[in-house]
Amino acid sequence: QKEVEQDPGPLSVPEGAIVSLNCTYSNSAFQYFMWYRQYSRKGPELLMYTYSSGNKEDGRFTAQVDKSSKYISLFIRDSQPSDSATYLCAMSFSYSSASKIIFGSGTRLSIRP
Amino acid sequence: GAVVSQHPSWVICKSGTSVKIECRSLDFQATTMFWYRQFPKQSLMLMATSNEGSKATYEQGVEKDKFLINHASLTLSTLTVTSAHPEDSSFYICSARGNQATNEKLFFGSGTQLSVL
Repeated sequence: QKEVEQDPGPLSVPEGAIVSLNCTYSNSAFQYFMWYRQYSRKGPELLMYTYSSGNKEDGRFTAQVDKSSKYISLFIRDSQPSDSATYLCAMSFSYSSASKIIFGSGTRLSIRP
Repeated sequence: GAVVSQHPSWVICKSGTSVKIECRSLDFQATTMFWYRQFPKQSLMLMATSNEGSKATYEQGVEKDKFLINHASLTLSTLTVTSAHPEDSSFYICSARGNQATNEKLFFGSGTQLSVL
């Protein structure tokens, strides 16, 4: 079993729709949760990060963590064609600079105009 | 914000040659940098953790003699793919974790596409 599971998609939705991206994990020791966006042949870009269970909102993006279920989500409101990319969930055991980060496999998202 | 510069973006080489990829943190010091490998439509696989002034820590299954990592300064780590073969063709990405000023976020380079002929 992988430490972090993520549906690879592809996921295609019309412009303006709400997008829900999800990951599950097996190790309850993960404490730091992140979502990255990656365009083709580019390095990932950090979108959201959180340490605790609950919701964190930033503009059109909301990150949700449920530690009891070992489940994290990213919601995108009012989706735009420019949101089309691969979204990677990631997590680590701590937020220290030396703590390695484990990535999900990524979900390819396409927003149809 | 913090920037990680990776060079080169593309490299094409003949089988048997060695290729060096550089990763620099431009506006912060990074005692730890990470090297990832990514195959098409797959996630990032951590290859090794690069520690300034000491030996890199390699993940299981990664050949340390094949992928040489040097972290000689607080702003530069290099990955050398020695005696490259076609199966080494991949997208290599480095990352560095910022300091307290950048809330310990992980910043990525733009990646290097390696094609071995």
